[in-house]
Amino acid sequence: DAGITQSPRYKITETGRQVTLMCHQTWSHSYMFWYRQDLGHGLRLIYYSAAADITDKGEVPDGYVVSRSKTENFPLTLESATRSQTSVYFCASSSGARNQPQHFGDGTRLSIL
Amino acid sequence: GENVEQHPSTLSVQEGDSAVIKCTYSDSASNYFPWYKQELGKRPQLIIDIRSNVGEKKDQRIAVTLNKTAKHFSLHITETQPEDSAVYFCAASGSGGGADGLTFGKGTHLIIQP
Repeated sequence: DAGITQSPRYKITETGRQVTLMCHQTWSHSYMFWYRQDLGHGLRLIYYSAAADITDKGEVPDGYVVSRSKTENFPLTLESATRSQTSVYFCASSSGARNQPQHFGDGTRLSIL
Repeated sequence: GENVEQHPSTLSVQEGDSAVIKCTYSDSASNYFPWYKQELGKRPQLIIDIRSNVGEKKDQRIAVTLNKTAKHFSLHITETQPEDSAVYFCAASGSGGGADGLTFGKGTHLIIQP
């Protein structure tokens, strides 16, 4: 589904650096989500947004910052990257909250050295 | 918050046989239960979902059943084919900490033996 795109697809950075992962959707979905995927943990919700300028924490928000100035964009920032944040990050969007399908982007594989 | 347990973590079946993956959830308020298929290096893709007012849903070779009383739901794949090999995730609409979003199981690696 080309309706949700993430960039970059791959990123290598060093501890302490700031890095921003981008997510863009063309469906005009109100809800957007950020998950991280780690072996043994499955997918865990980091932050989500119900609409422009409305964001809220998920299960594992520490060390991350989000913003949503426009409905179609939902960037995720690691202000000071740590090795424990090495992961695959998936953005998803949905037309509703808890009972509507979520559609995922291709993911960003982030390595922090 | 919601907690989703998924079993088994690995499932190997002969091509043509059926596969069943089971999940349990903890939050009785959860009312939406999707299943995702993820191939290696790819995004999770929604394959089927069920809402709490329905007990069973089928789509060709795939079916999902839901038992609200017992708080468990299952994915059934019949006549398995090599392209069914992937990791499958169940999810429930309740989220950890009460957030909107999905809580996922840890996944089942389905291996189809030729």
